[in-house]
Amino acid sequence: AQRVTQPEKLLSVFKGAPVELKCNYSYSGSPELFWYVQYSRQRLQLLLRHISRESIKGFTADLNKGETSFHLKKPFAQEEDSAMYYCALSSGGYQKVTFGTGTKLQVIP
Amino acid sequence: GAGVSQSPSNKVTEKGKDVELRCDPISGHTALYWYRQSLGQGLEFLIYFQGNSAPDKSGLPSDRFSAERTGGSVSTLTIQRTQQEDSAVYLCASSLARDGTEAFFGQGTRLTVV
Repeated sequence: AQRVTQPEKLLSVFKGAPVELKCNYSYSGSPELFWYVQYSRQRLQLLLRHISRESIKGFTADLNKGETSFHLKKPFAQEEDSAMYYCALSSGGYQKVTFGTGTKLQVIP
Repeated sequence: GAGVSQSPSNKVTEKGKDVELRCDPISGHTALYWYRQSLGQGLEFLIYFQGNSAPDKSGLPSDRFSAERTGGSVSTLTIQRTQQEDSAVYLCASSLARDGTEAFFGQGTRLTVV
C-alpha cells in the first residue's frame, strides 16, 4: 500500500530564513510525487511535480529514492509563502493519488 | 465551466438531518476523490472513484456516509443523520488518472451541523 507522511503539522520560520517541509513516502514501485498548496481562502492547487524538475515560486523538491523522501525547500521564506502544503504520491495508471495530512507553514515577519 | 464545481458552497443543517453534497468534475476526468478538511486540520481521504465504481472507500468514517457517481461524471456524497462532528469542509477533486497527472480541486462545501 502507498503511504505519504508529513511529520510536521505546523512549521514556523522567520521571513528570510530557509524552509524545508518534509515528506516521506512508502511505495515499492516508481512513484510520481507532487506538492500541492492551499493559500488562505483559495483552492488546493498543484505547486510542483518531481518529474518536471522545476522551481516554482522559489520552491524546489528533489526525489530521493534511497531515503524515500520528497522534501520541499526554499532558501528564503517570504510572508506570502504562508499556506498549507500537501505532499502527494501517484503510483500511476488507475491507482489513486495519495495525499499526506499536510503541513501548515507560517512565515513570521 | 472549466474547473471542478461543488454545490452548495455552504450548508447549515440541523443535527439528525440528511445532506447531499454535489461534485461536478472536469469533463473527461475519470478519477474523482472526496476529502474532508476539518478546521485547522489536513486532508482526510474519504472515497475514490474510477469511472462509476469506487475501488477505495476505506476513508468513509461510518455507514452514515455514502457516495455515488453516475455516468462517469457527477458525484454525490450523502451524509445521513448528521452529527456535529461531521462539520467540516468537504473537498472534491478530479484527475485524468494517468501517470503524473494533476488533481484539480473544487472550492469545497462548508458543512455546519447545528
